Amino acid sequence: KQEVTQIPAALSVPEGENLVLNCSFTDSAIYNLQWFRQDPGKGLTSLLLIQSSQREQTSGRLNASLDKSSGRSTLYIAASQPGDSATYLCAVLQGAQKLVFGQGTRLTINP
Amino acid sequence: KAGVTQTPRYLIKTRGQQVTLSCSPISGHRSVSWYQQTPGQGLQFLFEYFSETQRNKGNFPGRFSGRQFSNSRSEMNVSTLELGDSALYLCASSLEVGGRQFSKRFFGPGTRLTVL
Repeated sequence: KQEVTQIPAALSVPEGENLVLNCSFTDSAIYNLQWFRQDPGKGLTSLLLIQSSQREQTSGRLNASLDKSSGRSTLYIAASQPGDSATYLCAVLQGAQKLVFGQGTRLTINP
Repeated sequence: KAGVTQTPRYLIKTRGQQVTLSCSPISGHRSVSWYQQTPGQGLQFLFEYFSETQRNKGNFPGRFSGRQFSNSRSEMNVSTLELGDSALYLCASSLEVGGRQFSKRFFGPGTRLTVL
């Protein structure tokens, strides 16, 4: 059974810092991995999707990497801003067409 | 292009009642999946539909059911509501170009269900 873990559960950093969020999964037989952000009480916003054959994806200040063999992904956020404060979730897509989510990292950027 | 829409956004029901939630996918998307989000269990997969057929189902009791219409809109129904069904219900749609594994999921804002 696939298990996805995100560490840390919460992170608070000052504005302007670069930071890394971690995601690990137990079963490397995945199709892709997707990073989302969720603002309080809201739905999920897709940030980046990495196919299983890819190593990384970039969008603006965000960079996500994937090491399928070790079951790890990282989300790098450069030059953090208060608007980046949210919960960040990673999810892996398996053959059964379902996303398996981690519990998320609650990120706070302090002005 | 309009995003995924869900109605209603908020719902309050009492134990034993039933409820129907609606999801309209992004235009052209034929796959719709449903997830339940609670503080204790996080996000859990309910079921997924493609072209009016349920392709996969999560580990939820039979009180949870769904369907998809020919225009790809989907509904989920929960019968005999229990207190533990209080949650944010999210639906997601995807396009599935080039095969399932390439499909990014786009989520709606969710329906907040409170069972009293």
